[in-house]
Amino acid sequence: EIVLTQSPGTLSLSPGERATLSCRASQSVGSSQLGWYQQKPGQAPRLLIYAAFRRATGIPDRFSGSGSGTDFTLTISRLEPEDSAMYYCQRYGRPYTFGQGTKLEIK
Amino acid sequence: QEQLVESGGGVVQPGGSLTLSCVASGFMLGSFAMCWVRQAPGKGLEWVATNSHDATSEDHADSVRGRFAISRDNSKNTLYLQLNSLRREDTALYYCARHYWQSGEGRMDVWGKGTTVTVSS
Repeated sequence: EIVLTQSPGTLSLSPGERATLSCRASQSVGSSQLGWYQQKPGQAPRLLIYAAFRRATGIPDRFSGSGSGTDFTLTISRLEPEDSAMYYCQRYGRPYTFGQGTKLEIK
Repeated sequence: QEQLVESGGGVVQPGGSLTLSCVASGFMLGSFAMCWVRQAPGKGLEWVATNSHDATSEDHADSVRGRFAISRDNSKNTLYLQLNSLRREDTALYYCARHYWQSGEGRMDVWGKGTTVTVSS
């Protein structure tokens, strides 16, 4: 089973800064299979990015995904206070593994 | 507006059973594969089960295989999860989500708000 490891565990940044979140897979993952989700406290996950770099409907272009093989990145440019959330990467393929998450705090 | 609404959660004793439901609106359930994902208190996301659009294919996580069963009634636009032989570690918020697959690219693109299952004596 492929294991996804996200880093850092927690990221604390100021509004306007850029956030770089990492997702590393224990084995190579097809780019079409890597997604990112945002989850705010008390809310359901929301799809941000699929197929490594495609933004989901309604997602601002401040959010971008990149990477291939075993290393993938979610970048959030020009951070806003509402970006405070947990972010999870996921391999879209049975057993649909999620990473353990990165907590992004906006100071 | 495409929406999923879960129900059926509650408090159940270890070894007990429960049936969760997820009603879809704004789209035809029968056109999509669907899944259940859970989140234990303060923990991350764990995929639980998926079934195909026509219910001819299904898969369950190792942690629940043989105890949980995913099913659907497309005529009622409703997805189900039967939970049997419940353990304390099954305590979680259970979400249903839609699989969307196009041109070789897949994602879970619509999520419900979840229903809480608590296993406690």
